[in-house]
Amino acid sequence: KQEVTQIPAALSVPEGENLVLNCSFTDSAIYNLQWFRQDPGKGLTSLLLIQSSQREQTSGRLNASLDKSSGRSTLYIAASQPGDSATYLCAGSNDYKLSFGAGTTVTVRA
Amino acid sequence: SQTIHQWPATLVQPVGSPLSLECTVEGTSNPNLYWYRQAAGRGLQLLFYSVGIGQISSEVPQNLSASRPQDRQFILSSKKLLLSDSGFYLCAWAGTISYEQYFGPGTRLTVT
Repeated sequence: KQEVTQIPAALSVPEGENLVLNCSFTDSAIYNLQWFRQDPGKGLTSLLLIQSSQREQTSGRLNASLDKSSGRSTLYIAASQPGDSATYLCAGSNDYKLSFGAGTTVTVRA
Repeated sequence: SQTIHQWPATLVQPVGSPLSLECTVEGTSNPNLYWYRQAAGRGLQLLFYSVGIGQISSEVPQNLSASRPQDRQFILSSKKLLLSDSGFYLCAWAGTISYEQYFGPGTRLTVT
């Protein structure tokens, strides 16, 4: 079973700073890795999906990388804004089931 | 485009009462369907998943059950709720090519 870890659990940055969120996983035979955003009391919003054959995906200010050999994925958010404040979750799968990390709660200070 | 619905949005139920939460998906066919629970201060726990009508796999033995009576309908049930069943219940669907998962808005269940 895929085990996923996210460190740190919480992060606070001033507006405009670039955010770097880390995710590690135990099984390099990962099928895909997905990054989500969760606002308080809400469901999860899919941000980026990286398939095992890919090394990165980009969407607007977001860029996610995948390094299967080291068991790591990184989510970069450029020029952070207060609206980026949320919990960010990564999840990896070896089949059609996702294993989630505990998340990193981000606060962007205006 | 695809959409996923869950209801009710919030629910307060006494211990020992039954439960039925419903999830429906629109705009896709033959999706994989999932039920997760997110307890306060804890991560997402996969409860059940289904790859087809009538096919249910349970990830965690517990007080809950799931059914998939139609292709795009997924139901989470309990005959008798426990206090420990409180939490945020999320339904998700995924296509069978990329397996990217999309989540519904969730149901907040409080068992009193």
